[in-house]
Amino acid sequence: LAKTTQPISMDSYEGQEVNITCSHNNIATNDYITWYQQFPSQGPRFIIQGYKTKVTNEVASLFIPADRKSSTLSLPRVSLSDTAVYYCLVGGKAAGNKLTFGGGTRVLVKP
Amino acid sequence: NAGVTQTPKFRVLKTGQSMTLLCAQDMNHEYMYWYRQDPGMGLRLIHYSVGEGTTAKGEVPDGYNVSRLKKQNFLLGLESAAPSQTSVYFCASRLAGSTDTQYFGPGTRLTVL
Repeated sequence: LAKTTQPISMDSYEGQEVNITCSHNNIATNDYITWYQQFPSQGPRFIIQGYKTKVTNEVASLFIPADRKSSTLSLPRVSLSDTAVYYCLVGGKAAGNKLTFGGGTRVLVKP
Repeated sequence: NAGVTQTPKFRVLKTGQSMTLLCAQDMNHEYMYWYRQDPGMGLRLIHYSVGEGTTAKGEVPDGYNVSRLKKQNFLLGLESAAPSQTSVYFCASRLAGSTDTQYFGPGTRLTVL
């Protein structure tokens, strides 16, 4: 299973863009990169997923360089409600795909 | 469509007691998972199932048993609870054969005294 490394915490202010970079040096050819968001006392929630280049949805953008050894989650114009822990995971669609959660990045958005 | 539900939401046990946590999903997902999350930590996989009647061990299976008698339900059992099993337990489900996301339940907060 590909392991991931991401910063432990990040602080930001309302209205700013937050970028969280995740390293996954041993990502496999079939692996996708998925980001989850977790609020206190809740289960993780899917944010975005990608395989290569750039993916954008209504919540975030995901940038993946050509070598796929890292990825960057971009949260545009954050608000206080974006304060959460963000997890980067890599994995494929093999049977029983076991997602390995690291420690995540704790993002604190300040007023 | 309720998604993934977990029962109970909270539970306090004494050391040595047993209990079963129930996870139910109404999305017809083949894969189901049980995780535990300790304070300030990420999630660790306990057991998972790729279909009705099949289960497999995850990272931290010791002290837990599971059963998947029906496709929509995944049960996690603690035969003899220990204080080290104090944690928040999350269930998740996913559609097989795709990169589709896992959908998580709201969690069960378990305290073992």
